[in-house]
Amino acid sequence: AQSVTQLDSQVPVFEEAPVELRCNYSSSVSVYLFWYVQYPNQGLQLLLKYLSGSTLVKGINGFEAEFNKSQTSFHLRKPSVHISDTAEYFCAVSAGSYIPTFGRGTSLIVHP
Amino acid sequence: DTAVSQTPKYLVTQMGNDKSIKCEQNLGHDTMYWYKQDSKKFLKIMFSYNNKELIINETVPNRFSPKSPDKAHLNLHINSLELGDSAVYFCASSHGGPGELFFGEGSRLTVL
Repeated sequence: AQSVTQLDSQVPVFEEAPVELRCNYSSSVSVYLFWYVQYPNQGLQLLLKYLSGSTLVKGINGFEAEFNKSQTSFHLRKPSVHISDTAEYFCAVSAGSYIPTFGRGTSLIVHP
Repeated sequence: DTAVSQTPKYLVTQMGNDKSIKCEQNLGHDTMYWYKQDSKKFLKIMFSYNNKELIINETVPNRFSPKSPDKAHLNLHINSLELGDSAVYFCASSHGGPGELFFGEGSRLTVL
């Protein structure tokens, strides 16, 4: 079975500052990794995904993440955040069954 | 056209009642899911349905029953509603395999 840990439940940051949202996973088999964003009162939408290939993955809205197999991590980064990035961010992992398991989410709060 | 649509968006009902939430996807996907998001934003898989094969999460009470009349629809029926069933229920679909999920906007169920 796989599991996901998002180490920070809330990350406050000022506008135009860089941000990193941390995600660690556990699995006994090869994994596929995802970051989703949820804006208030909406469903989740995909930011980026790692299936194979380059470990540095670029997504929408200027976000990127790096798959680090030795540290079992998939941290999400953005060099300069905007007010509109305020949302809930979920890391997810899928393995053999392909049914994703989600982390508990990190609330990114961008202050002006 | 909305890719994954759920109805109703809001549902308020009394304990002991039976209710259904409908989900339809127009993406041609083979696999559909129901997730439950609790008040702390934690997303938990309830069911996955792929080509008539239903994968049940063992922790889901048997008061919850998914029904799929065809591969574009996966409805959720809940019997004898309890206070703890209050949550946001998300339908999602995918091609199957390790790819991304496409989510509906959620159905907020409140049990009084």
